[in-house]
Amino acid sequence: EVQLVESGGGLVQPGGSLRLSCAASGFAFNNYAMNWVRQAPGKGLEWVSIISDSGDSTYYADSVKGRFTISRDNSKNTLYLQMNSLRAEDTAVYYCAKGLVGATTPSFGIDSWGQGTLVTVSS
Amino acid sequence: DIQMTQSPSSLSASVGDRVTITCRASQSISSYLNWYQQKPGKAPKLLIYAASSLQSGVPSRFSGSGSGTDFTLTISSLQPEDFATYYCQQTYSAPFTFGPGTKVDIK
Repeated sequence: EVQLVESGGGLVQPGGSLRLSCAASGFAFNNYAMNWVRQAPGKGLEWVSIISDSGDSTYYADSVKGRFTISRDNSKNTLYLQMNSLRAEDTAVYYCAKGLVGATTPSFGIDSWGQGTLVTVSS
Repeated sequence: DIQMTQSPSSLSASVGDRVTITCRASQSISSYLNWYQQKPGKAPKLLIYAASSLQSGVPSRFSGSGSGTDFTLTISSLQPEDFATYYCQQTYSAPFTFGPGTKVDIK
């Protein structure tokens, strides 16, 4: 059974930084692209970033480009999202999500999701 | 960036109804279109990928069609557990944008 467990969320001040982690199990982590998707309170889904199976290809939403960095450690089956220069509009539940394939673009969607971790940016 | 729109934004339907939701891309995305279902407080669930491929374990009353810029999700006979919000997502070209969602509630 695929399991994705996010951690690292919490309250941070505007301009601050936070690092999210996602521990993966139940599948061959190094064979699949991984995503981060977020959802602001009461709003729709917003795709944030994707990293290829090997980690050599990454893409970002325009809203986070230059501020967020996605990475992975295939030896630890762990996905990361380093978030810098955080803004109030980054407040959301952040989901770690497994891709259907190993490549980044084009791709075939997301077939497994974590339970999400809440990031609140507020003074 | 590719923009995604959905219609309607919400609909009311009864158990047993046939429901159709439309998704449109701002440029051709071939068949790189996915559909998700999300219930309140839960993570989304993949229903359809590559426009018309049913994800494993998803009931056959769900179906998807379309290519290019226009796509449709159809629920052939709405069940009580289908009341939820539905999102389309293009994965043709990053950033992989989602549509704004369609909320399906009980009439």
